[in-house]
Amino acid sequence: GAVVSQHPSRVICKSGTSVKIECRSLDFQATTMFWYRQFPKQSLMLMATSNEGSKATYEQGVEKDKFLINHASLTLSTLTVTSAHPEDSSFYICSAEDRVKSGANVLTFGAGSRLTVL
Amino acid sequence: EDQVTQSPEALRLQEGESSSLNCSYTVSGLRGLFWYRQDPGKGPEFLFTLYSAGEEKEKERLKATLTKKESFLHITAPKPEDSATYLCAVQLNTGFQKLVFGTGTRLLVSP
Repeated sequence: GAVVSQHPSRVICKSGTSVKIECRSLDFQATTMFWYRQFPKQSLMLMATSNEGSKATYEQGVEKDKFLINHASLTLSTLTVTSAHPEDSSFYICSAEDRVKSGANVLTFGAGSRLTVL
Repeated sequence: EDQVTQSPEALRLQEGESSSLNCSYTVSGLRGLFWYRQDPGKGPEFLFTLYSAGEEKEKERLKATLTKKESFLHITAPKPEDSATYLCAVQLNTGFQKLVFGTGTRLLVSP
């Protein structure tokens, strides 16, 4: 089946620094990727939809200047948390659809990236 | 407002003790309902997609059903390895792959 890889799986940073998380679709092309955020014992909240070659679409309440998304190629989307603060500490997960391998209408999720801001 | 509610929040079963998880939804237009399994510190793993009321799908000890207002995930004779959080998500009729997730049911199966 389709595989989505996220890196890093864990990152610890100091308050005020920026952190970049990568999401790669392995052996399939993803014109659209999705970024979610998950707090402990809570569900996934969609942050933004990442479109290859164009600007991301952000959900209401998500600061686009805080969470920069770049979808530079058909296999890579990046989420940069700028000037991170402790309240940005969370589990960030990306997903993508591979219509050929997984079947249409099925999103494959990455393993997630745990961000801890000190 | 589109809402997805899962119950119970947590469920503890003995190995072999069958049960059901519930996912009720209130949405403007349903394109599909998804069930995912999530292990601690991992991303969700796809289980099923259901599209219309009356539809059922099975995979090993799991069976998912759908009505116009809710979906059930039945677990028959569960094993400890079935312990995980089970997430329900609905895809809306917006012509987009956007999923609205419930808060999940944390299942613990004791040997």
